[in-house]
Amino acid sequence: DAKTTQPNSMESNEEEPVHLPCNHSTISGTDYIHWYRQLPSQGPEYVIHGLTSNVNNRMASLAIAEDRKSSTLILHRATLRDAAVYYCILGKGSGGSNYKLTFGKGTLLTVNP
Amino acid sequence: NAGVMQNPRHLVRRRGQEARLRCSPMKGHSHVYWYRQLPEEGLKFMVYLQKENIIDESGMPKERFSAEFPKEGPSILRIQQVVRGDSAAYFCASSPRIDTVHSGNTIYFGEGSWLTVV
Repeated sequence: DAKTTQPNSMESNEEEPVHLPCNHSTISGTDYIHWYRQLPSQGPEYVIHGLTSNVNNRMASLAIAEDRKSSTLILHRATLRDAAVYYCILGKGSGGSNYKLTFGKGTLLTVNP
Repeated sequence: NAGVMQNPRHLVRRRGQEARLRCSPMKGHSHVYWYRQLPEEGLKFMVYLQKENIIDESGMPKERFSAEFPKEGPSILRIQQVVRGDSAAYFCASSPRIDTVHSGNTIYFGEGSWLTVV
């Protein structure tokens, strides 16, 4: 399985933008890049996903490098509620019938007031 | 729109008892995944099911653990003869029908069931 590499932790200040990096140098052509986050004592929450083009939704933006070997999750204005572990995951498929997501250790984001 | 519903949220069992965890997928979703998160560790895939079929159980412990997703009703993760090491958060996730590997389909998680074995 293609792996992702993320910093163990990052710190941000409230109201400021946050850029969470992810390296996936062994990504294959059909792998989608997914981002989830997990707040303490809660289930993982879907944030965003993309294939080649940059993506935006109400929660965040996903910037994907042209060679797809890295991506960046952008939180435009961090709030205290954004403090969580953020996971960058490649979506693997197997003949179209198996699409499990393999979680790594993620990045622990701390947001300072 | 109801999300993925898991129950019970918290379950306490004595060593040797059975634990049953239930998961109702989101409306319209026919695929269910179970993940386990041990204390201070990451999420580990356990099993992937469609209605009445186990598609991938490569992450399931070989003994005492089983999962089903019947034609009617919720998916059940069953742990027989629980031991202290089974204490963990168990998360269920669901996704809609997946037609191709290129769908970019994502999965949505429930809030989890916290099992404590005493």
